[in-house]
This record gives sequence, C-alpha cells and structure tokens, in this order.
Amino acid sequence: SQQGEEDPQALSIQEGENATMNCSYKTSINNLQWYRQNSGRGLVHLILIRSNEREKHSGRLRVTLDTSKKSSSLLITASRAADTASYFCATPTSGGGADGLTFGKGTHLIIQP
Amino acid sequence: DAGITQSPRYKITETGRQVTLMCHQTWSHSYMFWYRQDLGHGLRLIYYSAAADITDKGEVPDGYVVSRSKTENFPLTLESATRSQTSVYFCASSDNSPFYNEQFFGPGTRLTVL
Repeated sequence: SQQGEEDPQALSIQEGENATMNCSYKTSINNLQWYRQNSGRGLVHLILIRSNEREKHSGRLRVTLDTSKKSSSLLITASRAADTASYFCATPTSGGGADGLTFGKGTHLIIQP
Repeated sequence: DAGITQSPRYKITETGRQVTLMCHQTWSHSYMFWYRQDLGHGLRLIYYSAAADITDKGEVPDGYVVSRSKTENFPLTLESATRSQTSVYFCASSDNSPFYNEQFFGPGTRLTVL
C-alpha cells in the first residue's frame, strides 16, 4: 500500500525556474526521505528530514515537513536540464515487521532548455 | 570499487525457470533490501535483511527467496519465474534501519519473463 503520494505526477518547467513537488503521507513517521531517479538508473538519496525538523537544505534543494498536515515538499531552485528525473518521497514502513521504505509513485520532472 | 553493484543488469528468461539476481555492497552495511519497480506501483519491498543470516519478508515476497550468508551479498532467487515477475529489481543497503538512515541503491536489474 502507498504511504507517500507525490503531486503532481508530472511537471514540465523552463530551465532556471523553480520546481516544487509535494508529498502526502497517511500515518505518523519519524522521518521522510526524498530520492531522485534518472531514466534507467537507480535511486539516489537527496535529503532525509526527521519528524522534529521543519525545513532542511542541501545545495539547490529545500525540503519542508509539516507533520500536522502529513505533508512534505521538495523545492528545486534555479533548475537545470540535469534535474530532469523522477522524484520520490519515501517513509519508513510501519507495522507488519517490514523494515523498509514505502515509496510514492513519483513526480516526473522535465526541465525544458 | 566501493559501492553497491547488481548483476546481471539485464536478464531474459522463460516461465518456470529459476533465476538468481546478485547484489554486492562494499560498505559493510548491516541492512540490505530488495525492491521491485513496476509502472503504476512505484517501488515495493520484496525482502530485507538486518544482518547476515537474518532476513524477513516485505510487502511482496511471494515467489521469491533470499539468503544472506555474508554481510556484503544478498542474492534474490525467483524459484519458478512467472510473467508477473517481469520488473526492474533494485537492491539497496543502509548502515541502519530506515527509521534512522537513508538507503543506497544499486543500478537495477531489468528482468523479462517470457
């Protein structure tokens, strides 16, 4: 079952613009993770934000977490063609003894040159 | 080279055959994971291992077998492949539970079952 759901499913913007992706989740979490996947490649970890954090930065990436709304957002500033990829949010699987991550279906981001 | 590798990268097999996908990591991470990625489903956890000789089922374990005799290796076996197991398989590792740490993913194995 899906814990995180990204929105929008697809996003196309011009190079240099900012891109914002949102993630909603259902149950309480102790952290939320964002990953990037380039076409035909494995996933790359971007940022882990813990439940007691509200905002985290890494280079051109900014992640926010609102535990009261069970939502997170990923902002990519000054986008580049190389940012074209799918972006996934993931949360630790809760219950059932399955100690892994539960992923959303992702946001496919296209940066137009 | 340090990192996490998967082999083969591409595999075509027939229904009913046994297939083993290999995963190797050089970080001595205690945790290792197998996910499958299908259109419309995102990534789903098949099996995970918290340490050598400790494995447990994930969300979609049916039809798969894993073992972990050495910390660095975590092979995934499809005992009798079915068409529904056509997918891209990703191995990942982490030095702690996902409740605390991020995971590092391999490049994936694209498996086609005819």
